[in-house]
Amino acid sequence: EPEVTQTPSHQVTQMGQEVILRCVPISNHLYFYWYRQILGQKVEFLVSFYNNEISEKSEIFDDQFSVERPDGSNFTLKIRSTKLEDSAMYFCASSLPEGVHEQYFGPGTRLTVT
Amino acid sequence: DAKTTQPPSMDCAEGRAANLPCNHSTISGNEYVYWYRQIHSQGPQYIIHGLKNNETNEMASLIITEDRKSSTLILPHATLRDTAVYYCIATTSGTYKYIFGTGTRLKVLA
Repeated sequence: EPEVTQTPSHQVTQMGQEVILRCVPISNHLYFYWYRQILGQKVEFLVSFYNNEISEKSEIFDDQFSVERPDGSNFTLKIRSTKLEDSAMYFCASSLPEGVHEQYFGPGTRLTVT
Repeated sequence: DAKTTQPPSMDCAEGRAANLPCNHSTISGNEYVYWYRQIHSQGPQYIIHGLKNNETNEMASLIITEDRKSSTLILPHATLRDTAVYYCIATTSGTYKYIFGTGTRLKVLA
């Protein structure tokens, strides 16, 4: 069964550094998402992406964040100048195009900012 | 998207049916009800979704009331592996953002 994959599974970085989280969505999916979950808190929507542009973003997704689909398979989330409060699990998800389709989530990347 | 309300926790005996309720009294006519679960800190896992008819798949059944203001997810024979946090989400389409609540923490007891 196809699945969303994410790398790395755990990333440790120092405050102020830039990190790139990578995701490989399911191959025939065209909508891509990033969510995050701070330890013990709710899963929060960050951004959705379709047709090489952002469809929607939350207030969390400020200028510190950016997304990119650099090639036909990867979908990345870049966090510039990381802060302690960016420590969280980051989940990538994908879904089929228009219509009533569920989102499939990856296993997540645990980001620890020290 | 409509707000959903779920009980914070529930217990269920292994082998028995687990019935997880969700209230979505402000749901609009074009909003679907999606159910996901999250085991430990893994990525949320899709379970089932519906609009107004009851739905069943290999994992669960979804019962939506006629007025669509509430629904119940039924795991027919709960196992220890079903211990997880279950989320009910109301959204207009699978291509839109999901607003996760705090969900119901289901503990299946041996």
